[in-house]
Amino acid sequence: GAGVSQSPSNKVTEKGKDVELRCDPISGHTALYWYRQRLGQGLEFLIYFQGNSAPDKSGLPSDRFSAERTGESVSTLTIQRTQQEDSAVYLCASSLASGSHEQFFGPGTRLTVL
Amino acid sequence: KQEVTQIPAALSVPEGENLVLNCSFTDSAIYNLQWFRQDPGKGLTSLLLIQSSQREQTSGRLNASLDKSSGRSTLYIAASQPGDSATYLCAVSPYTGANSKLTFGKGITLSVRP
Repeated sequence: GAGVSQSPSNKVTEKGKDVELRCDPISGHTALYWYRQRLGQGLEFLIYFQGNSAPDKSGLPSDRFSAERTGESVSTLTIQRTQQEDSAVYLCASSLASGSHEQFFGPGTRLTVL
Repeated sequence: KQEVTQIPAALSVPEGENLVLNCSFTDSAIYNLQWFRQDPGKGLTSLLLIQSSQREQTSGRLNASLDKSSGRSTLYIAASQPGDSATYLCAVSPYTGANSKLTFGKGITLSVRP
């Protein structure tokens, strides 16, 4: 079956602009996660969704970052007034909320802020 | 706060060699541990997942072990091949409910020389 998909695969934007990143999880996966991977850094957790609620937003680095999810489907991560330090690969993962909780990752969106 | 360490950061071996990649974590209260592979410019591919109650998992030439009490995991790769060249990441999830947000190590970049 289809895996996790993300769009766009690459995004180049100017400092100060807003960007929206999209994630389509595996069908039937109720849990969805966003992570960020900056150059030379490990992956950092950003936010966790269970269904369309976000009980853990503890990883969002500032109030310029927000995310929403429609039902148990698509999620969008929005970054307002982008800064150069936001440049990173943004990865989305999904999992079944019960059982092993194995996470399956999408290919990521590479964001470059000029 | 959970911290995951992978040492060394890079490793180069000749083809055919058996090798062990190490991962350590500071908080033994984990739900599971996952090993991932990341190819340049790509997302993460899940290799093996070990539940906290398990001691090892095997898939083909890969074997992952877990010693939760000492905070260690190893990924054993048998008869390495040039196609195994990639970055290998280990990640742990906390022992709290359905939120399985992962804490990642920075990865080990493996190069297998023909």
